Amino acid sequence: DVKVTQSSRYLVKRTGEKVFLECVQDMDHENMFWYRQDPGLGLRLIYFSYDVKMKEKGDIPEGYSVSREKKERFSLILESASTNQTSMYLCASSLARGPRQPQHFGDGTRLSIL
Amino acid sequence: GQNIDQPTEMTATEGAIVQINCTYQTSGFNGLFWYQQHAGEAPTFLSYNVLDGLEEKGRFSSFLSRSKGYSYLLLKELQMKDSASYLCAALSGTYKYIFGTGTRLKVLA
Repeated sequence: DVKVTQSSRYLVKRTGEKVFLECVQDMDHENMFWYRQDPGLGLRLIYFSYDVKMKEKGDIPEGYSVSREKKERFSLILESASTNQTSMYLCASSLARGPRQPQHFGDGTRLSIL
Repeated sequence: GQNIDQPTEMTATEGAIVQINCTYQTSGFNGLFWYQQHAGEAPTFLSYNVLDGLEEKGRFSSFLSRSKGYSYLLLKELQMKDSASYLCAALSGTYKYIFGTGTRLKVLA
């Protein structure tokens, strides 16, 4: 079974802090994604990566950056946390090749910015 | 633009059948996914359709009409554990998954 592990289930940080959210997958997937999930808005894509050191902006990249130095690890960075970044953050991974490749999600990190 | 619509909430009775609809508009359509998400947990993959027609997997079936931009998820013999949110997601191109806001299903005894 694919395992996507996010470093924290719950995190509380202060406005202006630099925040790191880590995600690791164990199935050699090429693609990795970061979403945030807010009530009434669904999942919104922040960034994704299709290979090591490659990254593409999603729909809401402002205020975020990412790092993918190794294939199994994809980090989301909040450069200077703000209260409107309080949300549930979900990491996902998928295979790049072949049909019917669903995304596999981590359990999420509920981040509160005070 | 790219858009997915699904109902916000549905209620059904244990043992019944429920159909959750999803309409989508997307360029470079490359398939439609359904996920189940229990409160406080990660979404888990249920089904995938890329060709028109019905895909059956146990108590769950999913249907796709590409010409109508329409899909549904059919849940039979509902159980209490089926109470969850059901997310519809369209794949646009190779990487871009567009998610609906989810349908919260309540199964009543």
